[in-house]
Amino acid sequence: SQQGEEDPQALSIQEGENATMNCSYKTSINNLQWYRQNSGRGLVHLILIRSNEREKHSGRLRVTLDTSKKSSSLLITASRAADTASYFCATSNSGGSNYKLTFGKGTLLTVNP
Amino acid sequence: NAGVMQNPRHLVRRRGQEARLRCSPMKGHSHVYWYRQLPEEGLKFMVYLQKENIIDESGMPKERFSAEFPKEGPSILRIQQVVRGDSAAYFCASSPPGQGGLTGELFFGEGSRLTVL
Repeated sequence: SQQGEEDPQALSIQEGENATMNCSYKTSINNLQWYRQNSGRGLVHLILIRSNEREKHSGRLRVTLDTSKKSSSLLITASRAADTASYFCATSNSGGSNYKLTFGKGTLLTVNP
Repeated sequence: NAGVMQNPRHLVRRRGQEARLRCSPMKGHSHVYWYRQLPEEGLKFMVYLQKENIIDESGMPKERFSAEFPKEGPSILRIQQVVRGDSAAYFCASSPPGQGGLTGELFFGEGSRLTVL
């Protein structure tokens, strides 16, 4: 599997439910970011978590990072139909440059009204 | 406060033609990055430029692809003699001076979708 691989590939939930997406990676990282992409659009930065952080919150988003397991999760609480999008994790590898992000293939989240 | 502007949004080329994609970074940003997204894939780094300098082109194919960021005007990604495998979405991102390297947060444009017939 490649660096920054999301799971599941697709997730369908009802409005109001929580959505959890996971990301696994292989090498040591400086930081990990989550981005969102609406169909046919650009990427929007959601949240960045550094390698020495374990959890971060931003509004309805909660990101965790477990460097021992080389994994991260993104939780969206009280989902809305407008949250429907693809979600990507991107890692910046330690020893490398922070701008050279390695993206996974993404999780397609569908929130049904 | 305009974001990263890319044009064209959609471009159709026949095999063998040239594709030229433009990117204007956010105001105040001096670092530009190009990423490519193949269908059903994540983004892959291509090149990092500052004004008049290519800093890192380790993700660029060795042939047919070139990028520039002149002193005046937008950054341009040029693909010569396009082939069907070049069909993809090409995203430009920018970051403020010094910050991209420190935080890693990039600001992406809407992308240019190239279709090669």
